[in-house]
Amino acid sequence: DIVMTQSPESLAVSLGEKATINCKSSQSLLHPSKNKNYLAWYQQNPGQPPKLIIKWASTRESGVPGRFSGSGSGTDFTLTISSLQAEDVAVYYCHQYYSTPTFGGGTKVEIK
Amino acid sequence: QVRLQESGPRLVKPSDTLSLNCDVSGYVVSSQNWWGWVRQPPGKGLEWIGYIYYTGATHVNPSLQSRLTMSIDPSKNQFSLKLRSVTAFDTAVYYCAQSRGDSGGYYYLDFWGQGSLVVVSS
Repeated sequence: DIVMTQSPESLAVSLGEKATINCKSSQSLLHPSKNKNYLAWYQQNPGQPPKLIIKWASTRESGVPGRFSGSGSGTDFTLTISSLQAEDVAVYYCHQYYSTPTFGGGTKVEIK
Repeated sequence: QVRLQESGPRLVKPSDTLSLNCDVSGYVVSSQNWWGWVRQPPGKGLEWIGYIYYTGATHVNPSLQSRLTMSIDPSKNQFSLKLRSVTAFDTAVYYCAQSRGDSGGYYYLDFWGQGSLVVVSS
């Protein structure tokens, strides 16, 4: 199985500041012929289901604010929230769907 | 917009079978689409359970394969899972979701149900 390692486990950021979450996979998620990274990011608020925010490593889902961006390729990926808002407090998960799907352990984002 | 709703018993005895349905509205399950299940033990992270295609083809988590059956019923516009011989480790919130992707791999999950907490206890 591909192991997904997220860091940090938790993150406290001031309102309006940048939040950066990292996700590292134990194998490349870049499909050689499709030239796409099979990685998604989800946001989960307490008591709610996860919400898809990024697919294909960097494609923002419709309706997701522009302050969310995904980057990276191969084995190293980043989710960036450019200017943290109060409603962004949540747990964020990365998810590889290149082979037998696995999730990262989650990163809790809080307000400093 | 697609909506999904899990339903089924909330309390299951150890060694019994956990059964859940996912009722879909706003989309026809027999359209060319994959449908997925994910679970989350209380206070913990997400675990992929499996996907089912409208034809009934499945991809299943190898760790659950020996105990898991998934099915799809176009007449009810729903899909289902059955997990046999459950233990306390199967206590979790179970989510169903619409899944999308391409032929190069598996699928991300773009619309989720609200989840159903199933507790395994005598």
